[in-house]
Amino acid sequence: DTGVSQDPRHKITKRGQNVTFRCDPISEHNRLYWYRQTLGQGPEFLTYFQNEAQLEKSRLLSDRFSAERPKGSFSTLEIQRTEQGDSAMYLCASSLNYPDEQFFGPGTRLTVL
Amino acid sequence: GIQVEQSPPDLILQEGANSTLRCNFSDSVNNLQWFHQNPWGQLINLFYIPSGTKQNGRLSATTVATERYSLLYISSSQTTDSGVYFCAVVLYSGGGADGLTFGKGTHLIIQP
Repeated sequence: DTGVSQDPRHKITKRGQNVTFRCDPISEHNRLYWYRQTLGQGPEFLTYFQNEAQLEKSRLLSDRFSAERPKGSFSTLEIQRTEQGDSAMYLCASSLNYPDEQFFGPGTRLTVL
Repeated sequence: GIQVEQSPPDLILQEGANSTLRCNFSDSVNNLQWFHQNPWGQLINLFYIPSGTKQNGRLSATTVATERYSLLYISSSQTTDSGVYFCAVVLYSGGGADGLTFGKGTHLIIQP
């Protein structure tokens, strides 16, 4: 296993469109996290899963955002009706358990035109 | 919520110099990590260090949990050390909740 992977690496979309990102964690990692990073800032926590259960959502996660981890393995993050303010790097991380070391994927860079 | 402050925000050094980056946090933590973000945005794990001291080659880190700070030392800097260094923590809540809270980072430039 080579680490956390994310797909796509880059996404350009028009305002109002829906987009979906995928994250594959390190195998056997029970925890999966989503973060968002805007230019010049540190990443900000969005949500996390313990196996298939979504246990916490940040107030940053508006109703237009939804995340799933259906079988406790990969996860998807969907943004509906994208806005220009959604332009950011979306990062996924995984850890074996709490509060173990988190390992990050390469990110998906979203540009909303 | 928990506050994480990093200093200095920017640091420019000549190749071969040593540097110390600081991270202050406002509450007890269960997890503290140092990352290096490369120009392509990849966060590279440097240390998982909620307490104590660790060393890895030219890099070392110390966390004094009782005084709520951590230090990252870089010795004999190389141009490849350039980039943004982040400190990130998980609040000690006992409930297994919360993702990492990141500081704003230290932007390090190593000049040849």
